[in-house]
Amino acid sequence: GAVVSQHPSWVICKSGTSVKIECRSLDFQATTMFWYRQFPKQSLMLMATSNEGSKATYEQGVEKDKFLINHASLTLSTLTVTSAHPEDSSFYICSARTSGRTGAYEQYFGPGTRLTVT
Amino acid sequence: QKEVEQNSGPLSVPEGAIASLNCTYSDRVSQSFFWYRQYSGKSPELIMSIYSNGDKEDGRFTAQLNKASQYVSLLIRDSQPSDSATYLCAVERGQTGANNLFFGTGTRLTVIP
Repeated sequence: GAVVSQHPSWVICKSGTSVKIECRSLDFQATTMFWYRQFPKQSLMLMATSNEGSKATYEQGVEKDKFLINHASLTLSTLTVTSAHPEDSSFYICSARTSGRTGAYEQYFGPGTRLTVT
Repeated sequence: QKEVEQNSGPLSVPEGAIASLNCTYSDRVSQSFFWYRQYSGKSPELIMSIYSNGDKEDGRFTAQLNKASQYVSLLIRDSQPSDSATYLCAVERGQTGANNLFFGTGTRLTVIP
């Protein structure tokens, strides 16, 4: 399958600071990447859809000014959590979409970034 | 009604048995369906994709799709303790390639040695 990396894998930051998470597609070009958040024992929650060269599309209830997404190239999308607060502590996972073997799209996930805000 | 529904489990099966995981979806125009496996503390891993009615086999895994009933399932034959994980059903929203995935809440599978 296609490989997606994320960096950092975990981060601890103080309340009020900003954190940037990188998502890279290593062996394919991804015009579309997605950012999810997952709280303990809960399912994935889509935060936003990131399209290369254009503004991200945010899901209802997700603050676009707080979660800044940049998709500057076909292999890199970044999520910046601005002015982080303890309630932002979560597991952030990106995914990238690529054409599968049958030609239809398949979505592959990065390993995730565990953010803890103190 | 949720877009994608799964029995949250937990589902427990003995080692060597067949594990059967089920999923229903509400969007009739969905064309692409996926099963992901997620180990605790890890991100989801794509294990099967299916686009046409019927069965699709890959090793010990078989995905089954019935679009008329809006039902997709995953069978795991010869279950192993390493199969213990949460299995997420995902359905592509709308037409193929048009949008992102809807995920179910997942079924937690435990394979008992």
